[in-house]
Amino acid sequence: EDQVTQSPEALRLQEGESSSLNCSYTVSGLRGLFWYRQDPGKGPEFLFTLYSAGEEKEKERLKATLTKKESFLHITAPKPEDSATYLCAVQEADSSYKLIFGSGTRLLVRP
Amino acid sequence: GAVVSQHPSRVICKSGTSVKIECRSLDFQATTMFWYRQFPKQSLMLMATSNEGSKATYEQGVEKDKFLINHASLTLSTLTVTSAHPEDSSFYICSGTSGGFNEQFFGPGTRLTVL
Repeated sequence: EDQVTQSPEALRLQEGESSSLNCSYTVSGLRGLFWYRQDPGKGPEFLFTLYSAGEEKEKERLKATLTKKESFLHITAPKPEDSATYLCAVQEADSSYKLIFGSGTRLLVRP
Repeated sequence: GAVVSQHPSRVICKSGTSVKIECRSLDFQATTMFWYRQFPKQSLMLMATSNEGSKATYEQGVEKDKFLINHASLTLSTLTVTSAHPEDSSFYICSGTSGGFNEQFFGPGTRLTVL
């Protein structure tokens, strides 16, 4: 069965304290892995797509990496405005465009 | 770019009534749209996938006669919750994708409360 597992479930950081979020996945064939940010009461906001092992993408304080079994979202020197739930999702290499979401990591960055 | 809107953002209805939620892609043609449901502190659960002009494909356990989906144009999909009950109260989110890219772009969500 296809699975996406995110850890930790919740993370509290002090402003400026760098850390990483993990997303491990099990799918028969990966088309792409997606990272989204979701603020309370809002829809997910697209961050990154990664397609192959070894690929990396960056956006401001965020950097996403991909291996054959997992992806990491590195947050460098976070700010309070980075507080949100970060969702990982995978898309299988079949004809559909369905996303399988993990349960998310709730990040709180304290000033 | 890639903006998706939903209307209404919040709706409160009485048990037994039907509610329609609209999802529009504002700056791209969404050949495929998805409808998700999200309960508090849980992740998104896919309800159905719809392609423009075709019948929606529902996920296992989702009642197609209760959650009616229409994708009549490349910019509009609707979800109608028929005979709503309190257990249907949830956050409903739509997303759209175009044939040119794999990313899904999400709407802001609709909070449904059934009394």
